[in-house]
This record gives sequence, C-alpha cells and structure tokens, in this order.
Amino acid sequence: DAGITQSPRYKITETGRQVTLMCHQTWSHSYMFWYRQDLGHGLRLIYYSAAADITDKGEVPDGYVVSRSKTENFPLTLESATRSQTSVYFCASMELNQETQYFGPGTRLLVL
Amino acid sequence: DAKTTQPTSMDCAEGRAANLPCNHSTISGNEYVYWYRQIHSQGPQYIIHGLKNNETNEMASLIITEDRKSSTLILPHATLRDTAVYYCIVRFRGSGANSKLTFGKGITLSVRP
Repeated sequence: DAGITQSPRYKITETGRQVTLMCHQTWSHSYMFWYRQDLGHGLRLIYYSAAADITDKGEVPDGYVVSRSKTENFPLTLESATRSQTSVYFCASMELNQETQYFGPGTRLLVL
Repeated sequence: DAKTTQPTSMDCAEGRAANLPCNHSTISGNEYVYWYRQIHSQGPQYIIHGLKNNETNEMASLIITEDRKSSTLILPHATLRDTAVYYCIVRFRGSGANSKLTFGKGITLSVRP
C-alpha cells in the first residue's frame, strides 16, 4: 500500500532494553522525521533526515539513534529504554521543496 | 520558544463556520503560516499554508492579517469529524533545518451536534 507506515503500532518493553521503531514510506520522499508526543508537550522533533545517509538532531535527540541506509526507511532505535521514553512516536516524510509533511499512524511505546 | 499563540480550546455547532485564531507577532518576512490538525490518536494532517495572501483549498481558508501578525483558519461548515487539535505553525520554506515543524500545544476544536 502506498503511504507511510510504522511498526510496531504498540510496544511494551522494559527499562534497559533496546527497541527499534520502524518507519517506511513508499513515495521516495527525500525528508523523513521522527517526533514524539507526550501530554503537556505536544509533538517534539527527535531526529530528521534530508536524504539517505544524512541525519541531524532535532529538539530531543538524547537516548535515540537513527539511520537511513535506504531512502524509504528511517528506523529509530532506543539503545537502552527508559521510562521517560514512554510516548507516542510519529514518523513523517516530505519531499524536498514541498510544503506538506505526511505523518504515519504512530507507535505507542510503554517502557516499564 | 513559542512562535505562535493559540487559545486552548473552542467549540462550534455542526454546520457552522469554525474560526480558529492564531497570533504570530514575531513572524519574519520570509516565514510562512502553516496549519495542521490531529484527530484523536492519529498522526497530524496538513491543512493549508500561506505567506501573506489569503488562501483557500478544499479543506479550509486561511486569512492572514495585513501586518501578518495573526491569522485565522476557517472551516466553513464544521462537521463532527472536524473535532481535533489544530496547530498553527510558523516556519521558513526550504531544506535542511527549515524543513522542521515546531508544534505548540494547539487549539482543541470541539464540534457539537
């Protein structure tokens, strides 16, 4: 199916575990983004990528790692999950010089 | 730093126009005004954007004041499905760091039957 997908949609993990959230888009958009959404904070940018092998930090990058070996995939890894990383994570993509970011359905992560 | 300020919430009757205000008094000449909305538990959705002229698309109209310090998003005939959090965002167009969206807390619109 065309669009932007995220997996898993729901994840429960324990403190200290490594977790990888996947994001896949079928449009070959240049830009991809990871946001987290918490009550009282709205959406905050974690990392973004302008193209394959080009990534940059956003507002709240600590504790996260990203990679972009292929244009269509932008995985987000929590190297050692903490309770403060319990959140809803949204991936988005955008074509260069376009105006619209397209968001995925989100991954709800609970860290116990 | 908040670049936009919006009321926390508002409501309107189904079928009526919903007028959502946004203040962006520190907007610079090259910054655009964007509106996104987020229906409960879903990812944000783009609605409309503009620089200084009023804009209209199939979803909404955007009215930007002449001094560009404020704007209003208008949903001409609100339906129950328009109940959502609406975000007013100011950003430069372009690549790199300018591609980022900075979300505030938005305004919660409740459409009542």
